[in-house]
Formats: sequence, C-alpha cells, structure tokens
Amino acid sequence: SQTIHQWPATLVQPVGSPLSLECTVEGTSNPNLYWYRQAAGRGLQLLFYSVGIGQISSEVPQNLSASRPQDRQFILSSKKLLLSDSGFYLCAWSPPRQGFDQPQHFGDGTRLSIL
Amino acid sequence: SQQGEEDPQALSIQEGENATMNCSYKTSINNLQWYRQNSGRGLVHLILIRSNEREKHSGRLRVTLDTSKKSSSLLITASRAADTASYFCATVGNTPLVFGKGTRLSVIA
Repeated sequence: SQTIHQWPATLVQPVGSPLSLECTVEGTSNPNLYWYRQAAGRGLQLLFYSVGIGQISSEVPQNLSASRPQDRQFILSSKKLLLSDSGFYLCAWSPPRQGFDQPQHFGDGTRLSIL
Repeated sequence: SQQGEEDPQALSIQEGENATMNCSYKTSINNLQWYRQNSGRGLVHLILIRSNEREKHSGRLRVTLDTSKKSSSLLITASRAADTASYFCATVGNTPLVFGKGTRLSVIA
C-alpha cells in the first residue's frame, strides 16, 4: 500500500532563517505531488505541484520554492522566512495519470511557526 | 476562480442527527470531491462525484451535484461524535484541486 511521510511535524523558526520541509511517498511510482499551505481556520492554498522529476509548477508567487530531486521526494524550501510564512503545510500525492481528476492523499502536515 | 465555498462555516448537532453541508463553485468542473480533516491532521478523501453524476452514496455519506446551479451537498446520516471534523469540498477542472474554506462540524454526544 502507499504511504506518505512528512517531517518535521512541528517547526519553530526565526524570521529570516532558511526552511526545508521534506515529503516522501512510498508504494507508487511517478506520483503527482503537491504542497499546500493552510492558514488557521482557513482552506488550503495550493503552492506547488509536480508531475515528474525536476518538473515544478508554481501557483502562488512568494518567497518559497519547491524541488523534486527524486521520483517520490518533494521538498519545500525558503532562503529567508517571513512572518507571513507561518501556517500548516501539507504534502499530498495523487496517482500518476494525465490530468488531476484523481483523489489526493495527504500527509499529516508540518505546523510552522515563525517568531 | 473555480474555488468552492462551503456553507455553513460551522455546524453543531446532536449525535444521531443528520448533518448537511453545501458547496458552491463558479466554473465548469470535471469532478467534485469532499474531504475530511480532523484537528491538526491531514485531509482524508471521502467521496468523488463526476460532473455527469447527480448523486453518490458511500456508507453514511450521500453527495449530490447540481451542475446547473454549480452546487453540491454532503449529507452525513446518523452522525456520531467521531464525525466531528472540518469538511472541505474541492473542485477539479483543468487545474489541480481547488479547495473551499470548509465547514466545521461538531457532533455533541
């Protein structure tokens, strides 16, 4: 069966520090991968998605970036965090099919607090 | 934007009652999906309804879709305390899922 892992579960970082959040998927090949941010009490905002190694689509311009160095690894990064980067970050995957019609499967998220 | 908007924002019911949540969206879709999120956790997919379907059932869940009104509803029958969570609709068109802000459901034992 397929599993998705996100870490760390919680993170407290000072303003201006770098960020690296990692997400890995097991049990499937060439999944579609997604990064979302959820502000407190709000819906999910899609940040990045990837349909293959080295391919990244950005939905929202900001000081975050994403990379997919391996088939089942998705990394969210920042060189200098802002206060507004605080939130709950979720990684998700969906089966490797053309289009985005398939259900997505989510990790347990990383709660990021910027001080 | 094809973002879904759930209504109501919050709903509180007694155990055993039915819970109905609504979702409206703005553009044409391929399908609409409902997800559940327990506090502090990731989302869990509940049910998917395609644009050519009008109703779908899964256990205690019933989803309807009216593409002429661009709306969907999620009915949870015989609710339980464990159903307490936030529920999100998400629409799929030519871009990845677009989520609404969710309905917070509280089921009181």
